Amino acid sequence: GNSVTQMEGPVTLSEEAFLTINCTYTATGYPSLFWYVQYPGEGLQLLLKATKADDKGSNKGFEATYRKETTSFHLEKGSVQVSDSAVYFCASASRGTYKYIFGTGTRLKVLA
Amino acid sequence: DVKVTQSSRYLVKRTGEKVFLECVQDMDHENMFWYRQDPGLGLRLIYFSYDVKMKEKGDIPEGYSVSREKKERFSLILESASTNQTSMYLCASTTGRGDRSGDTQYFGPGTRLTVL
Repeated sequence: GNSVTQMEGPVTLSEEAFLTINCTYTATGYPSLFWYVQYPGEGLQLLLKATKADDKGSNKGFEATYRKETTSFHLEKGSVQVSDSAVYFCASASRGTYKYIFGTGTRLKVLA
Repeated sequence: DVKVTQSSRYLVKRTGEKVFLECVQDMDHENMFWYRQDPGLGLRLIYFSYDVKMKEKGDIPEGYSVSREKKERFSLILESASTNQTSMYLCASTTGRGDRSGDTQYFGPGTRLTVL
């Protein structure tokens, strides 16, 4: 079946460090891919998404590129801030289905 | 802005009680979802609904039921709460039109349920 695998956390970085959170997926066909973020005490909110191969999603300095050949959608940010501390979820949604598949989440902690 | 609201942020119930979790969305979305979120397990789908009175089981429906009598409201029911249902419960909705994928899921703030 379809699945999403993301790197285990927690990830601890100093402010202004470079961030990468890895995400790979398995799916039939070409799903849409998402990164969601969950700040403490809140629900998930969409960070960025890409709906086809080679698309790049971006928002708030975060980027991720849909790589069909490596079935990956890694999240990157050039310079993290303390306010980026949160849990990040990678997700996929295949066409013809209502179902979304979420990774287990990666907790990011950014230290001042 | 899309708003998904959940009836309670925190709830404490006793084993064997019947528990209702309510979710309301204000954007006329067709699809609504209930997930539970547990550490190390991510989000697991309990049930979803693609129309009024229509529902489908997700990955972990045992011990739960749902009700969708109106388009904007989707209720999760724990028929007889047990301690292993202590968790964070998240409701979400999407438009679901067109090719039924690529739609952003909009989440509520979550209900942290503790069953004693």
